[in-house]
This record gives sequence, structure tokens and C-alpha cells, in this order.
Amino acid sequence: QKEVEQNSGPLSVPEGAIASLNCTYSDRGSQSFFWYRQYSGKSPELIMFIYSNGDKEDGRFTAQLNKASQYVSLLIRDSQPSDSATYLCAVNSGGSYIPTFGRGTSLIVHP
Amino acid sequence: DTAVSQTPKYLVTQMGNDKSIKCEQNLGHDTMYWYKQDSKKFLKIMFSYNNKELIINETVPNRFSPKSPDKAHLNLHINSLELGDSAVYFCASSQDLQASLADTQYFGPGTRLTVL
Repeated sequence: QKEVEQNSGPLSVPEGAIASLNCTYSDRGSQSFFWYRQYSGKSPELIMFIYSNGDKEDGRFTAQLNKASQYVSLLIRDSQPSDSATYLCAVNSGGSYIPTFGRGTSLIVHP
Repeated sequence: DTAVSQTPKYLVTQMGNDKSIKCEQNLGHDTMYWYKQDSKKFLKIMFSYNNKELIINETVPNRFSPKSPDKAHLNLHINSLELGDSAVYFCASSQDLQASLADTQYFGPGTRLTVL
């Protein structure tokens, strides 16, 4: 069974700090990794995807992938209260590319 | 223009009833999905259709039946509703199931189903 694990949180950080969200996965054949943000009562929306080992930066967001250790993380620099949401990690394995989602980590950025 | 739309947004019904949720995407995508998100926010795939053909049918009760009249539409019909069916149901689409490592899911706004 393919599993994607996330700490449900909540993770509470002060405004301006770096928020670090982590995700581990069980399937070594996994090929691509996605971070979605979901505001309360809304649908998930893509923030970033990554499929090569290392870091990928997009504005205040950095995704980090380590396939050997089977984890992917999302760093949010200069966190804002508007970043408060649930962050879902999704992992695609080879073949069908149907993603498996983690349960999400709730992030609270307090002023 | 809304990329992925669902109707209705809210659905409150009695146990034992039959109901349908409609989904449409105007992105020209080949693949559409139905997800169920429970009260603990766990997003679980139920079905996937690629060009009107069922590709994935995860372990869901056969009371749930998807129907895809064309590749822009994927409807979900639920028979004999049960209390445990209460959840938010999301429709999603992506460009092509097989094509790309970066194949991204675009979600509809969700349908909150409450079974009384």
C-alpha cells in the first residue's frame, strides 16, 4: 500500500518566520511530488511540484526532495497570516500518475 | 471562466435517497477524477476517467457510479445514501493521465454532502 505521511499539526509560526512542512512516502518508485494548499472550506490548489532531487524555489516557496530518504518538504519564507491553511503533499508513482495524498498539515501563521 | 465546476455546492438529504453530483471542466483535459474528503481532511481518490473510459476504480461501494457522457463531464451518482457518505466530494481534472511527471490536478469547488 502506497502511503504518504504528514504531521497533521497544527504548526504555528510567527509572521515573518520560516515554516517547514514535511512529508514522507513509502513507495520508492515514486516519481513526482506535489504540494497543494487548501484554505478552509475551499478546494486544493497547486503550489509547487518537484521531481528531481534537490531544491526548487518559486518566490517565497522552496520544495526540497530527497529520494534516498523518501521525504519531500516545503519551506515558506517570510510567512504571512494569509499562508494559514492546510498543506497537502501528493505523490505520483510511475505508471498511472494517479496521486496519493497525505492527510495534510495545518499551518497557522500568527501576527 | 470557471475551469472545473461542480453542482450542487451543498447537498443535504435523507438516508436511503439517491442523488447525483455534476462536474464539468473547460480546460480541454483528457482525465477527470472524483475524490472524497472526510471530516479529517483526508483526500482519497474514488474514480478516474481518461477520455470517457474508466481507468481507476478504487475500493468504493458499488452504490457509487460515475458516468462520463463526454470528456468534459464526469458525474457521480450515489444510490441508497448512508450516514458515512457525508463528506466533501471534489471533482478534478488533469491534462493526461500518462503524459507527464508534472501532470497537475485542477480541483472543482467541492460538493458538501450531508446525509441525515
